[in-house]
Amino acid sequence: QQKVQQSPESLIVPEGGMASLNCTSSDRNVDYFWWYRQHSGKSPKMLMSIFSNGEKEEGRFTVHLNKASLHTSLHIRDSQPSDSALYLCAASIQSAGNKLTFGIGTRVLVRP
Amino acid sequence: DAGVTQTPRHEVAEKGQTIILKCEPVSGHNDLFWYRQTKIQGLELLSYFRSKSLMEDGGAFKDRFKAEMLNSSFSTLKIQPTEPKDSAVYLCASSSGHQDTQYFGPGTRLLVL
Repeated sequence: QQKVQQSPESLIVPEGGMASLNCTSSDRNVDYFWWYRQHSGKSPKMLMSIFSNGEKEEGRFTVHLNKASLHTSLHIRDSQPSDSALYLCAASIQSAGNKLTFGIGTRVLVRP
Repeated sequence: DAGVTQTPRHEVAEKGQTIILKCEPVSGHNDLFWYRQTKIQGLELLSYFRSKSLMEDGGAFKDRFKAEMLNSSFSTLKIQPTEPKDSAVYLCASSSGHQDTQYFGPGTRLLVL
């Protein structure tokens, strides 16, 4: 069964600093990677998705994907206290429909 | 547009009871998912429906967990009988289709005593 590994488990970042999160899939059939953010007591919300090699930027968030190594990373620049949350990486396979396999997550704490 | 709704938001059950959780997906969405979230296991897929057809029933969760989708705007998840290890947050999500974003409901927090 496909596994999605995330690292680190937790991260403390100073306000204004850069947070870097990693995610790798064990299944070579994976086509898409997704990043979801979950604030404490809330449900996950999609942040960014990527399916092509390279980089995608949206505001303070940048996602990288290396399809050969099935590795994706999420970078948050100028981190704000409101970025404190659980960040979940998920992977999907086109032939498996819209099913997502999630990692355990990286818990980010941004210290003012 | 209304998002995904789930009821109840909280449920307390005694071991051995039957409980039914409810979900209404976003109107027009074809895919519906049930997940269980715990701190140790993270988000685990319980069931996946596409256009009301069951696509996946979550393997290890088959014996006591049963999800149904009687119409395109309503789904239920029945846990029978409940065990203390079922204590978790149960999340429902929906999506319009292929490789599209999944939108999550607020979840049902279940405590089994």
